[in-house]
Parts: sequence; structure tokens; C-alpha cells
Amino acid sequence: GESVGLHLPTLSVQEGDNSIINCAYSNSASDYFIWYKQESGKGPQFIIDIRSNMDKRQGQRVTVLLNKTVKHLSLQIAATQPGDSAVYFCAELAGADGLTFGKGTHLIIQP
Amino acid sequence: KAGVTQTPRYLIKTRGQQVTLSCSPISGHRSVSWYQQTPGQGLQFLFEYFSETQRNKGNFPGRFSGRQFSNSRSEMNVSTLELGDSALYLCASSWRTHSYNEQFFGPGTRLTVL
Repeated sequence: GESVGLHLPTLSVQEGDNSIINCAYSNSASDYFIWYKQESGKGPQFIIDIRSNMDKRQGQRVTVLLNKTVKHLSLQIAATQPGDSAVYFCAELAGADGLTFGKGTHLIIQP
Repeated sequence: KAGVTQTPRYLIKTRGQQVTLSCSPISGHRSVSWYQQTPGQGLQFLFEYFSETQRNKGNFPGRFSGRQFSNSRSEMNVSTLELGDSALYLCASSWRTHSYNEQFFGPGTRLTVL
């Protein structure tokens, strides 16, 4: 079946650098996407969302880019900080069946 | 304001047993959704309740069931446990149904099936 996936299981970046986390989706009917952050021992935390009628959305230090042509979603984190260490995963929504989630990328911040 | 609470936090059961997990949403939230998280499958949607009614259901067998009470607290039940049911079970609450950007997750219940 169609599913959301992530390109890399682990991403290591230097503190202060920008991080880019990628997500590929295959359901062309998906019209809403979310990025979540999950710290160890905690539940997921909403970061930012984007609808399919947009290709870019910015939040505080985060930007989500959506490329519908290649079915690709990315999360950019500016000036990565130690507190950004977590697992990040994307989710897509197509219709009323609930969210479909990617498996996650573990972001590691190097001092 | 207190966050979403889940009890118990950890649970160990054996195959064939049944288990009930509890979720107390943020005060005023009427929607509660349940999710299963495993290393292999990632996060998967189980079901959503709003005003004591199941509004949406994921692709899980009938062994997985839930309910919501008039105070919006929710329980999920898994009968005839299998080893593959070992997972972190998360609930999330929000004011409205399908309100994913306003949804807050609890810390989860870690279920281990032996």
C-alpha cells in the first residue's frame, strides 16, 4: 500500500548548522502534511504543518518545503541547537482515514 | 494546565491476556486519538473518539477496541494479546476532531507482551 517514508534513519549535524530532514510520500491524494518532533521518553510534539496548496511554510527556526511534483517534503531547522536532538517524522493525511506516519529520522547534534 | 496523562506508564503481560489502557485528555478537550508506535512499523493510527463516539478507525484487527466516557477520558482495550502487540501506545487529545495541529500527545504506555 502507499506509505510515507524517510530517506535517512540518522542525521548528524554540528551545533549551529542548519539541518534538513527529508520525507518522501507516495499518495498523490494527500493534501495535508505535518512534521513532528519526539524526544526520548515523550510523545510526539507538533512542529509545523503545510497544506498541499502551499509549497513553503515558515515557523520559528523551522521551514517546511513541499514539492508535489516529486512527492517530497522537507523540514529545515536553522541554527541547530542541542535541544533539537530528537526523532523527527512526517505524517500525511489523505481523506478521512487518519494520519499516515513516516518512521522517523534521528537528529544528533554534535558539539 | 495539566497535559495528557496516560496510565499505566509501563505494563507487562503474557500472550493471550487482555489489557486496558487509560488516557485522560487535557481539560476541555473532547477528542482523543490512540496510536501504536513500534520500531518496525513506526507510528500508526488506531482510532479517534469524540463526544463518546468513535469517529475514525485505523487498520487494526477487532482485538483492538476503545471507548470514551462522558468526561472525555478514554480507554483502549486489547484482547488476546500477541507478541507483536508489544509497543508504545500513545493517546492524543484536541478540542475538535481532525484537529491535528492542535493535538497534544501523552507520554505513552509501554506495553510488553511476553
